[in-house]
Amino acid sequence: GESVGLHLPTLSVQEGDNSIINCAYSNSASDYFIWYKQESGKGPQFIIDIRSNMDKRQGQRVTVLLNKTVKHLSLQIAATQPGDSAVYFCAENIAGGSYIPTFGRGTSLIVHP
Amino acid sequence: NAGVTQTPKFQVLKTGQSMTLQCAQDMNHEYMSWYRQDPGMGLRLIHYSVGAGITDQGEVPNGYNVSRSTTEDFPLRLLSAAPSQTSVYFCASRTDRLSEKLFFGSGTQLSVL
Repeated sequence: GESVGLHLPTLSVQEGDNSIINCAYSNSASDYFIWYKQESGKGPQFIIDIRSNMDKRQGQRVTVLLNKTVKHLSLQIAATQPGDSAVYFCAENIAGGSYIPTFGRGTSLIVHP
Repeated sequence: NAGVTQTPKFQVLKTGQSMTLQCAQDMNHEYMSWYRQDPGMGLRLIHYSVGAGITDQGEVPNGYNVSRSTTEDFPLRLLSAAPSQTSVYFCASRTDRLSEKLFFGSGTQLSVL
């Protein structure tokens, strides 16, 4: 079946570097995508979202890029800080569906001071 | 405003025991859901509810029951615990069916021996 997946399970970066976390999806009917951040021992927390009619959306230090041609989603974190260390999940919702998101397996971001 | 509150935070059960994981939200959200999180598996939906008195099955419902007698509460019952139910459980809510941003509780870590 179709599912949301991630290219890399673990990403290690130095403090101050920019981080890029990738996500691939295979369902062309997906029209809404969300990134969540999960710190150790806590529940996932909403970071940023994007709809399929957009290619890019920016938040505070984070940018989500959507490439519908290759069904690829990425989360860019500028000037990565130790507090950014967490597991990042992408989730997709399918147009006309029950609006129940499908989650990817997650990428662990480790920021070295 | 407490958000989504889950209790207990940790629980150890013996095989065959039953228990209820509690979830309460004070945001007047219509939609509530339960996920389990296993290493490398991401978040999988167990059951969800779109309002008081209405529940439905998610991806992995077997061995779990839910009810939604009030808007605020959405307990998850394990009828006869099995080692395969060892996991971290998250409750999540959102405003309504068309609001896709989920608010998560802090999780319940369950071990079944």
